[in-house]
Amino acid sequence: EPEVTQTPSHQVTQMGQEVILRCVPISNHLYFYWYRQILGQKVEFLVSFYNNEISEKSEIFDDQFSVERPDGSNFTLKIRSTKLEDSAMYFCASSVVGGLGAFFGQGTRLTVV
Amino acid sequence: AQSVTQPDIHITVSEGASLELRCNYSYGATPYLFWYVQSPGQGLQLLLKYFSGDTLVQGIKGFEAEFKRSQSSFNLRKPSVHWSDAAEYFCAVALETGANNLFFGTGTRLTVIP
Repeated sequence: EPEVTQTPSHQVTQMGQEVILRCVPISNHLYFYWYRQILGQKVEFLVSFYNNEISEKSEIFDDQFSVERPDGSNFTLKIRSTKLEDSAMYFCASSVVGGLGAFFGQGTRLTVV
Repeated sequence: AQSVTQPDIHITVSEGASLELRCNYSYGATPYLFWYVQSPGQGLQLLLKYFSGDTLVQGIKGFEAEFKRSQSSFNLRKPSVHWSDAAEYFCAVALETGANNLFFGTGTRLTVIP
């Protein structure tokens, strides 16, 4: 069964450092998403990406965040200068068409120290 | 603004017992509705979804959910719970526009006792 894969599974970084979280969406999917889940809180939408551009983004997705699809398979989330409050589980998701239910990866746990 | 409420933070049921997890949403129109499950250390797995039509939808692992427009609810049910169902369950809504981004509830943790 096709799945969304995320690497690494756990990343520890120092405050102020840049991190790149990587995702390989399901191959025939067209919509790509990043969500995050701070420990003990709900899953929150960050950004959606379609046709090589950002479709929508939340208030959380400020100038410190960026997304890219550098090639035909990867979808990345970059945090330019990490803060302690960026510590969370980050989920990548993809869907064939928006609204049909996204398939999620297993997440990358980001710990900022 | 849209919102999703899962009033039960934690539910404990005995194996073999029936289960109902509550979900209420607030939105001006009928959104797309979803239930996801998250096992410990795992990602989010789609259990079922509702877009339109029959208000009782069947999902994987023996789960079903019923959409009740009058109550703005989309409760998840299972007639007989298995120990492997212990997990966190999230209700989510997606708007009908754009990329249909998901808005999640706070989740309900299900514990299954033998």
